[in-house]
Amino acid sequence: KNEVEQSPQNLTAQEGEFITINCSYSVGISALHWLQQHPGGGIVSLFMLSSGKKKHGRLIATINIQEKHSSLHITASHPRDSAVYICAVKQSGSARQLTFGSGTQLTVLP
Amino acid sequence: NAGVTQTPKFQVLKTGQSMTLQCAQDMNHEYMSWYRQDPGMGLRLIHYSVGAGITDQGEVPNGYNVSRSTTEDFPLRLLSAAPSQTSVYFCASSYEPSRKAFFGQGTRLTVV
Repeated sequence: KNEVEQSPQNLTAQEGEFITINCSYSVGISALHWLQQHPGGGIVSLFMLSSGKKKHGRLIATINIQEKHSSLHITASHPRDSAVYICAVKQSGSARQLTFGSGTQLTVLP
Repeated sequence: NAGVTQTPKFQVLKTGQSMTLQCAQDMNHEYMSWYRQDPGMGLRLIHYSVGAGITDQGEVPNGYNVSRSTTEDFPLRLLSAAPSQTSVYFCASSYEPSRKAFFGQGTRLTVV
């Protein structure tokens, strides 16, 4: 079983819809990252959070440490939001780098 | 402000050839790492470094070498390329693993 599980694997939405991508993890963590990988391949960090909620524009990320779960929400989705969204965790007490989920491919149709 | 610069963007190698993927960052980050990305598997850690002169293995280190002689540079060497090393490679850096990570643009490597 992967230490970081994302759902759904693929998601197709109509422009304007509210989107939720989920991330569950099975290890203790000190931080969780949400990343966006553009169709051209580049990876951009969207959020880094260790508790609570963060908001940037139409993007909202939440984390529940007790339930070992995080969600990424996109409000008023747009075709330019089409990308792969990746959840990654930094395990507690480990010098290792991040452990990644396999990603969620989001397609927003006009 | 260049961030993380990774070269080359594309490379085709023959089985048995060796090559070096370059990664440089200008943010004075201590932590640097190399990942490979394969379809359906997500990013997997190859090697990482917590500072100049210090490197360690990740999940999939076999067939790869790294060194960290300076804070800025973290090259990844393929010793004898194999078709199983066909993948997209990403270099990343951060002040520490819990801080925001910055990624290079990726290298698409094909081994024939």
